[in-house]
Amino acid sequence: EPEVTQTPSHQVTQMGQEVILRCVPISNHLYFYWYRQILGQKVEFLVSFYNNEISEKSEIFDDQFSVERPDGSNFTLKIRSTKLEDSAMYFCASRLGGGSIGEKLFFGSGTQLSVL
Amino acid sequence: DQQVKQNSPSLSVQEGRISILNCDYTNSMFDYFLWYKKYPAEGPTFLISISSIKDKNEDGRFTVFLNKSAKHLSLHIVPSQPGDSAVYFCAASDRGRDDKIIFGKGTRLHILP
Repeated sequence: EPEVTQTPSHQVTQMGQEVILRCVPISNHLYFYWYRQILGQKVEFLVSFYNNEISEKSEIFDDQFSVERPDGSNFTLKIRSTKLEDSAMYFCASRLGGGSIGEKLFFGSGTQLSVL
Repeated sequence: DQQVKQNSPSLSVQEGRISILNCDYTNSMFDYFLWYKKYPAEGPTFLISISSIKDKNEDGRFTVFLNKSAKHLSLHIVPSQPGDSAVYFCAASDRGRDDKIIFGKGTRLHILP
């Protein structure tokens, strides 16, 4: 079964450093998402991306965050200057499009980001 | 701002019995509801969904009930099996408005032998 792939599985960084989290969505999918989960808390929506542009973003997704689909297969989340509170599990998700959005939303296994 | 609330952080159920996971929501514009299951070190996987025009949807051992007037939904698992031990997330969306799904905090289900 096709799957969403995320790398790395763990990322440790110093506060103030830039990080790039990488995702390879399912190949024929058209809609892409980033969510995050701080330990013990809910899974939070960050951003959705369609047709090479952001379609929706949350309040969390401020100027320090950006997303890119540089080559038609990868979908990246960049945090420009990490803060301690950015420590979380980051999930990439994708869907084909059309029909009920949730039924076709596939998640990756996540990248655990630890900011020291 | 918790639009989707799962008030029970954990639940233990005997194998073979019924597991009932509850979820409340505050946004009356939500028109689509979903349950996701999550194992450790994996991403959430879709389990079952229900549109606001229905009050029940069944898929094998899993049934979701929606009570719109109470803004409440529940997931029933019958019979519960050991492999059902996981964290269950309730989620909702306003499909007419935007592209995002709002998740609850999750309920950890333990199936006891």
